[in-house]
Amino acid sequence: EIVLTQSPGTLSLSPGERATLSCRASQSVSSSYLAWYQQKPGQAPRLLIYGASSRATGIPDRFSGSGSGTDFTLTISRLEPEDVAVYYCQQYGSSRTFGQGTKVEIK
Amino acid sequence: QVQLVQSGAEVKKPGASVKVSCKASGYTFTSYDINWVRQATGQGLEWMGWMNPNSGNTGYAQKFQGRVTMTRNTSISTAYMELSSLRSEDTAVYYCARVSWELLGSVALWGQGTLVTVSS
Repeated sequence: EIVLTQSPGTLSLSPGERATLSCRASQSVSSSYLAWYQQKPGQAPRLLIYGASSRATGIPDRFSGSGSGTDFTLTISRLEPEDVAVYYCQQYGSSRTFGQGTKVEIK
Repeated sequence: QVQLVQSGAEVKKPGASVKVSCKASGYTFTSYDINWVRQATGQGLEWMGWMNPNSGNTGYAQKFQGRVTMTRNTSISTAYMELSSLRSEDTAVYYCARVSWELLGSVALWGQGTLVTVSS
């Protein structure tokens, strides 16, 4: 099973700052099969990025994904108050697994 | 409107089974795999398995092998997830989710979630 490790556990930033979230895999993941989700309290997850770097429909362009192999990154270029949420990466190249999540807070 | 609507909350005793339903509408049910994902309170997302509604083929996460069964009724566009031998650690919100291969296998459509509480 591919284990995904996300860091940091919690990210506390001011509005307008850049947020960089990391997702590291225990073995190589095909870039086509890495997604990022946003989850707000009491809601189902929302797809942000698929194929490591493609934005899903309706996702603001301040969200971007990058990476390959075992290291992937989600970047929020200018943090907005509505971006407060937990962010999960998921690989689906070999079965499916989620990372443990990164909580993004506003200072 | 394209959506997945799940059945309501359940309370079960340890050792019992629970069956959660997920009704699809607004699209061709047999054209997209369904995944099941659960989330314990305050915890992360945990993938449980997948089902192809067309063939009925399934694949389960190793953790749930032998305890989970995913089925469907194509005549009513509904997927089911049954979990047996429930224990307190199975208390969680259970989500069904539609896999979109046009989005390279990611999930853009989720049910609203079903809270299953296991308590004596």
